[in-house]
Parts: sequence; structure tokens; C-alpha cells
Amino acid sequence: GEDVEQSLFLSVREGDSSVINCTYTDSSSTYLYWYKQEPGAGLQLLTYIFSNMDMKQDQRLTVLLNKKDKHLSLRIADTQTGDSAIYFCAEKKNTGFQKLVFGTGTRLLVSP
Amino acid sequence: NAGVTQTPKFQVLKTGQSMTLQCAQDMNHNSMYWYRQDPGMGLRLIYYSASEGTTDKGEVPNGYNVSRLNKREFSLRLESAAPSQTSVYFCASSGGTGGEKLFFGSGTQLSVL
Repeated sequence: GEDVEQSLFLSVREGDSSVINCTYTDSSSTYLYWYKQEPGAGLQLLTYIFSNMDMKQDQRLTVLLNKKDKHLSLRIADTQTGDSAIYFCAEKKNTGFQKLVFGTGTRLLVSP
Repeated sequence: NAGVTQTPKFQVLKTGQSMTLQCAQDMNHNSMYWYRQDPGMGLRLIYYSASEGTTDKGEVPNGYNVSRLNKREFSLRLESAAPSQTSVYFCASSGGTGGEKLFFGSGTQLSVL
């Protein structure tokens, strides 16, 4: 994804909180998403946030959106070994057909 | 509860060979997509079909063709495979209103020797 940037790797211990960050460049994007990819599988939608919201909470997941800085984050509380995966953020651009642009993905490794 | 089904799961080709990746969805979605995933580059859109009967180029269309056979099926063809096309290919579909939620297949791992 040429416009969406993420750090490549994050390592945490089981039980800690994980925070995965993402920056995007299109201020007119309407929706921002977090997808999870487990080994050998396709991407699964974890959660998404509409651009007029600052925060969205869904069980252990908290999404924060800072539109001024074009910054999106995903916090996973009480991280488990089953959370080990690659996490992709994506933006829905507001130009033409509204297709998604994905970031490069952050590999989260959770150690016992 | 199939969702998006891709075939094959694995394929090895020699340079210059051709092949077609098949994709079908059973969610009555209007839009379908083909992405490729390469290490450190995330997912890049190859082609998409906003609705039955239409197809458009994405970010990296060169070397590929697509066919939206009907509402359910969207195939990706490599006419003359090149080593640069070694990648994992994902098909996806979407059809919701308000949030463009994509549903992905499990991927095709393609190696071109």
C-alpha cells in the first residue's frame, strides 16, 4: 500500500497490551479498517471506524483515530498467544470507486 | 458457509506458462477484487469488478487479465507467467452498504520458476 504505513514488527508478552500504529495520507477517507491475517489464511475483518469517530471499543479491541495527524491505532488488551498474526490497516478512499488501500502489515508476536 | 472460495491453493509454473486462478463467492456481493501479497509490500490491488459486467485496473495490472464471468465468479489469468509474478494471490468480495467490508478467500500461493 503506497499511502498507508505501518511498522513491520511488534513483540509483546502474553497478558500485556499491544498497540499497533498506522498512518494514512488521504484525509477524505471515509472508513478505516483493521484486518487480521493468520498463517496460511486470508485476511479477516477485525473492526472498522467511521471517519467522524475518535474511538471505537469492541471487547479487547480499542481503535483510536486522530484525523488531524492521519493516525490510526489498534490496542489489544490482555494479549494472548492466539493474537499472534499480521495486522493490516486499510483506508477507504473517497475518490472514484471506493476501493480499499492496505498498509504493509505489522507482524505481532506474542510470547508466553 | 463457504464465503469466498479460491482454487488452486498452490501452483508452480515455468516462465511463459499460462494459468487461470478461479474465485467464487456465495454472498451475492456486487464487487470482487484480486490482490497480490508480497513480503514488506502489503496487499496491492491487481484488478477489481465493481459490479457484474465491469472490470477495472487496480494498482498493478500489468501481466494479468480478468473475467467477471457472472455475479459469483471472477477469474484472474496470467497469459505468460514471469518470476516477478511469484506471490500469494487473494480474491475478495464486498457488497455491504456503508463500510466497504471485504471478505477474503484463503489465497493461492504461486511460484514461477
